[in-house]
Parts: sequence; C-alpha cells; structure tokens
Amino acid sequence: DGGITQSPKYLFRKEGQNVTLSCEQNLNHDAMYWYRQDPGQGLRLIYYSQIVNDFQKGDIAEGYSVSREKKESFPLTVTSAQKNPTAFYLCASSIYPGLDETQYFGPGTRLLVL
Amino acid sequence: AQTVTQSQPEMSVQEAETVTLSCTYDTSESDYYLFWYKQPPSRQMILVIRQEAYKQQNATENRFSVNFQKAAKSFSLKISDSQLGDAAMYFCARTYGNKLVFGAGTILRVKS
Repeated sequence: DGGITQSPKYLFRKEGQNVTLSCEQNLNHDAMYWYRQDPGQGLRLIYYSQIVNDFQKGDIAEGYSVSREKKESFPLTVTSAQKNPTAFYLCASSIYPGLDETQYFGPGTRLLVL
Repeated sequence: AQTVTQSQPEMSVQEAETVTLSCTYDTSESDYYLFWYKQPPSRQMILVIRQEAYKQQNATENRFSVNFQKAAKSFSLKISDSQLGDAAMYFCARTYGNKLVFGAGTILRVKS
C-alpha cells in the first residue's frame, strides 16, 4: 500500500531534550512538508522540501530543524530552543509543486512535554 | 495577504440533510488551487475535494460539491445527504506559492 507513515504516534519530551519525528512516504512524491496543529486551530507550516538535499523554512521554523537525505524521508527535529513544543505534528507530501498541488497527509504525531 | 477565513467555528446538520460550510480567502494571484480537507476524531487529514482556480466549473465528488466564486474569493463546501461519518473538523486551504495556507476550521456535528 502506498502512503505516508509517521512515527511515533505519541512522543514525550523532557525539558532541554531534542526529539526527532519520523516521516516516510512511498508515493514517489518529490515534495514533503511538516505542519504543526495546536488545539482548535488550523495547520501552520514549519518546513518544506521540494527535492532531496534542499528545504525551506515555513512560517514557524524557529526551534525546529529538518533534513532531506532521501526522497522517501523527511525527519523533523524539535530542539530545546522550541519553548512550547506541545502540539500535533503532521507530515504531508505532494507529487511536485506546480504539477499537482494536492498534499496528502500522514496520521500525525502528538508531542507532549513532561 | 495569505489569509483563509472560515467564519463558522461550528455547524450542525440533521442526518440526510444538506449543509454548507463557508470559506473566503485573500489572493492577488490568478492561478491557484483550493482544497477542502476533513479531519475526523482520528486526526488524519483527508482530502475531500479540490478546485483549480482557472476552471470555472465547480468541482464535485459524490455528495460533496463546491460553490467557487472567483471574483468574490469564496469557496464554500456543500455536503448533501449528510451522514454520521461526515462529523469532523473541516479545513479550507489555498495554495500560496509552494505552500498551503489553511483556515482555522469548522467543526461539523451530525445529529441522528
């Protein structure tokens, strides 16, 4: 089955700790995205990547970092500089911006601070 | 501006009835895409319908259809014959360059 997987489903972070959220897709999509969702709010873009080894900051990139070493994978690290990391994180992918703008989403990771 | 506005925080509909969710947006572009996504309690974001701005014909997917008014920058979603499984948060979104900009969402409750 083609799709997007995110792991873990739940993640707990201690103060001062960096944590990494996994996002993998087997749809052969070029572009991948990370969003943050806070309770009762819409999605806000953290980072996005259109091709391997390239990525761009979104609207709320401070305190986060990403890498795109493989087409299939786009992990997100929540660093200790992110002071309010508790949120629901969604990963998405699209075939290629400009060709088909439709984004497909993974099941999400809920991050909680201990 | 990059705003997408969903003016209805919450809506209710009786099972088998029709409901319309509102969405307006800002843009200075002539070509862009518009989307409605559904987020059920599982929180998985599911694409409901999409519209390409240069197409005048309103998109339709089974019980879901849109009323796209380009000049008014309006993109409402009509759900016909509402079912209990339609209960969810619905998000309107539009492309902005290589990004999607989302509205704050509308909670849809379906009464049996």
